[in-house]
Amino acid sequence: NAGVTQTPKFRVLKTGQSMTLLCAQDMNHEYMYWYRQDPGMGLRLIHYSVGEGTTAKGEVPDGYNVSRLKKQNFLLGLESAAPSQTSVYFCASRTQLAKNIQYFGAGTRLSVL
Amino acid sequence: GQQLNQSPQSMFIQEGEDVSMNCTSSSIFNTWLWYKQDPGEGPVLLIALYKAGELTSNGRLTAQFGITRKDSFLNISASIPSDVGIYFCAGQSTGNQFYFGTGTSLTVIP
Repeated sequence: NAGVTQTPKFRVLKTGQSMTLLCAQDMNHEYMYWYRQDPGMGLRLIHYSVGEGTTAKGEVPDGYNVSRLKKQNFLLGLESAAPSQTSVYFCASRTQLAKNIQYFGAGTRLSVL
Repeated sequence: GQQLNQSPQSMFIQEGEDVSMNCTSSSIFNTWLWYKQDPGEGPVLLIALYKAGELTSNGRLTAQFGITRKDSFLNISASIPSDVGIYFCAGQSTGNQFYFGTGTSLTVIP
């Protein structure tokens, strides 16, 4: 079972460049989440989705956009990358039935120079 | 956002020792969760707590949901080298958002 797969695993961007991070889950989960993890900060929620075609803002949404066109995929976009967006990004998914159990991907390490 | 304070920030212990870490919040939560993260990996759920006062075990791990609903603790008994990692608490009130603590880094010395 693949579970939650994030691509790419690593990326280096220059300030102002754009990119899209892909999260794919094969568990038919309704809910999907994007977090960023910074040293000493824990995980902070960027955006989330409760179903195909719906998205909502989390704690730190500025500078990011998301789309959930298909149930299994959740895309995180950076339109104009800034050094402050250097971080490790984690995607997670969960099902309505399993209450609060989120399954995480292995992360994408992004550096913005 | 809601702040979860986790302590201690880091721990260095001898193999076989017991470990205790805790998490406090400024807000009430309906669910407390404890995760472990290995280097280069995403967090993996260890224990989920759903009621105030609940005490739940998973092997050598025991976690409790505080009576005030603003805190939780995690204990690891008889630590082993594979316990090394970063432990995170997380809370959920109502709605679909989860709030994570800052993490406790555990090092086990053989």
